[in-house]
Amino acid sequence: DTAVSQTPKYLVTQMGNDKSIKCEQNLGHDTMYWYKQDSKKFLKIMFSYNNKELIINETVPNRFSPKSPDKAHLNLHINSLELGDSAVYFCASSQDMGPWADTQYFGPGTRLTVL
Amino acid sequence: KNQVEQSPQSLIILEGKNCTLQCNYTVSPFSNLRWYKQDTGRGPVSLTIMTFSENTKSNGRYTATLDADTKQSSLHITASQLSDSASYICVVSARGGANNLFFGTGTRLTVIP
Repeated sequence: DTAVSQTPKYLVTQMGNDKSIKCEQNLGHDTMYWYKQDSKKFLKIMFSYNNKELIINETVPNRFSPKSPDKAHLNLHINSLELGDSAVYFCASSQDMGPWADTQYFGPGTRLTVL
Repeated sequence: KNQVEQSPQSLIILEGKNCTLQCNYTVSPFSNLRWYKQDTGRGPVSLTIMTFSENTKSNGRYTATLDADTKQSSLHITASQLSDSASYICVVSARGGANNLFFGTGTRLTVIP
């Protein structure tokens, strides 16, 4: 009965590879997000997406791309992985989009290590 | 520049004691402020959300305050328990697009027996 789930939990890969992280929410929420938490535990939003609008944080390299097959899923694809991509990636969802959105529910995180 | 600063960076207290965590922000125009608890190895979990007109909001042993004039918020934890050991993150929203969320770096709380 997990609300927001992510797979895999851990991902270790070589520099230059392409990888994907999957996210699913069973809360019936309209909006999903991807966050990156660096080694200093600082959370930064990467994308927010509902079926109407994708908002991209302009600081995110275009090697990162979200893919949403349906409202309950928002996967994160990363091309040509770099050492600096090593971090914990969190998926989240909320009922609405924007600063007045209901509380965001976070997934357990995916720890990505690029060697 | 929109920023959220939290203090202290880390805190160690004895079980049963109270503590207060601080959050100062320069985010404008202000929309709302949230406190999250993040256990080690897990995603953040919302504790409370406060809007401009709210001064105090409680959630069990957690009480958050907001002073929109001085742009300060605090999270007070009463009668701490070992399970309170976690990082507490302050997040401030600015009015505008969905990406107008500004995260503090968190306060790492450790409760010891």
